[in-house]
Amino acid sequence: KQEVTQIPAALSVPEGENLVLNCSFTDSAIYNLQWFRQDPGKGLTSLLLIQSSQREQTSGRLNASLDKSSGRSTLYIAASQPGDSATYLCAVSGNAGNMLTFGGGTRLMVKP
Amino acid sequence: KAGVTQTPRYLIKTRGQQVTLSCSPISGHRSVSWYQQTPGQGLQFLFEYFSETQRNKGNFPGRFSGRQFSNSRSEMNVSTLELGDSALYLCASSLSTQLTDTQYFGPGTRLTVL
Repeated sequence: KQEVTQIPAALSVPEGENLVLNCSFTDSAIYNLQWFRQDPGKGLTSLLLIQSSQREQTSGRLNASLDKSSGRSTLYIAASQPGDSATYLCAVSGNAGNMLTFGGGTRLMVKP
Repeated sequence: KAGVTQTPRYLIKTRGQQVTLSCSPISGHRSVSWYQQTPGQGLQFLFEYFSETQRNKGNFPGRFSGRQFSNSRSEMNVSTLELGDSALYLCASSLSTQLTDTQYFGPGTRLTVL
């Protein structure tokens, strides 16, 4: 059974810092890994999707890497802003269609 | 292009009642998945429908069921509600032309069971 873990559970940083969020998964037989953002009481917004054959994806100030063999992914946020404050979730899909297994999330607060 | 819509956004029910939630996917998307989010268990997969057929099912009791219509809209039903069913229910849609499709989530339905 796939298990996904995110560390740290919460993070508070001053504005402008670069930061890294971590995600690990137990079964390396994944099809893809997605990073999402969730604002309080809201749905999820997809940030980046990394296919199993890829090593990283970039979008603006965000960069996600994937090391499938070691079961790890990182989300790098450059020059953090207060608007980045949210919960960040990673999720993996296996060989069973669109079923995503989520980590517990990292709650990020960026202080002005 | 309109995003994933879910109705209703908020719902209050009492134990023992049943409830039906609706999800309209992004136009052209054929796959709809449902998730339950609670503070204690996080996000858990309920089921996925593709072309009106249930393709995957999570580890939830039979009180949780769903269906998909020919226009890809989906409904999920929870019968005999329990206090523990209080949660944010999210649906997600994708093109599902391959297994690497991005999933797009709706805003969710907040269900409170009293």
